[in-house]
Amino acid sequence: DGGITQSPKYLFRKEGQNVTLSCEQNLNHDAMYWYRQDPGQGLRLIYYSQIVNDFQKGDIAEGYSVSREKKESFPLTVTSAQKNPTAFYLCASSAGTGRNTGELFFGEGSRLTVL
Amino acid sequence: QQQVKQSPQSLIVQKGGISIINCAYENTAFDYFPWYQQFPGKGPALLIAIRPDVSEKKEGRFTISFNKSAKQFSLHIMDSQPGDSATYFCAATYSGNTGKLIFGQGTTLQVKP
Repeated sequence: DGGITQSPKYLFRKEGQNVTLSCEQNLNHDAMYWYRQDPGQGLRLIYYSQIVNDFQKGDIAEGYSVSREKKESFPLTVTSAQKNPTAFYLCASSAGTGRNTGELFFGEGSRLTVL
Repeated sequence: QQQVKQSPQSLIVQKGGISIINCAYENTAFDYFPWYQQFPGKGPALLIAIRPDVSEKKEGRFTISFNKSAKQFSLHIMDSQPGDSATYFCAATYSGNTGKLIFGQGTTLQVKP
């Protein structure tokens, strides 16, 4: 089945550690996104990528890093510089820009807890 | 100007009732307004979407009403069911915005049996 796979589903981290969240899609979508979800704040964009080997910062990129070496993969690293990393992280993809802009397909999320 | 404001934050409706969630925006360049539905522990999924060339779009029990002059749009869920209990997000974007969606804060809907 086509879709987006995020792993791990749950992750615990000690303060000062970097962690990497995996996101893989087999929808052949060009664009991929990382959102952070906190209660009462909606979804906030961390990073996005429109094409392989290129990505842009979203609204809350500080303390995060990404790479896009393959079309189907867009991993997110939460670094120790992120002040408040405990959150639900959502990866999404879309076919790209144009008339279908906005039709995002989301993974099931990764819940990160800092101990 | 990039914000989308959503209300209410939470909503409790009896089974069979109408659920109404409202969103307002400022950026007149927005030309695509989707609604996403999210169940606990899952990622959001596209529910219904509208473009500003129509004032209303209906899909089954779900209807989007769009008021371009007021820069507001709303989701109506008719004959609400317990299975509709979820968090709903409105969003907005415009062509050329590289696909980025600006989301509202979310509304948690509980439909009581």
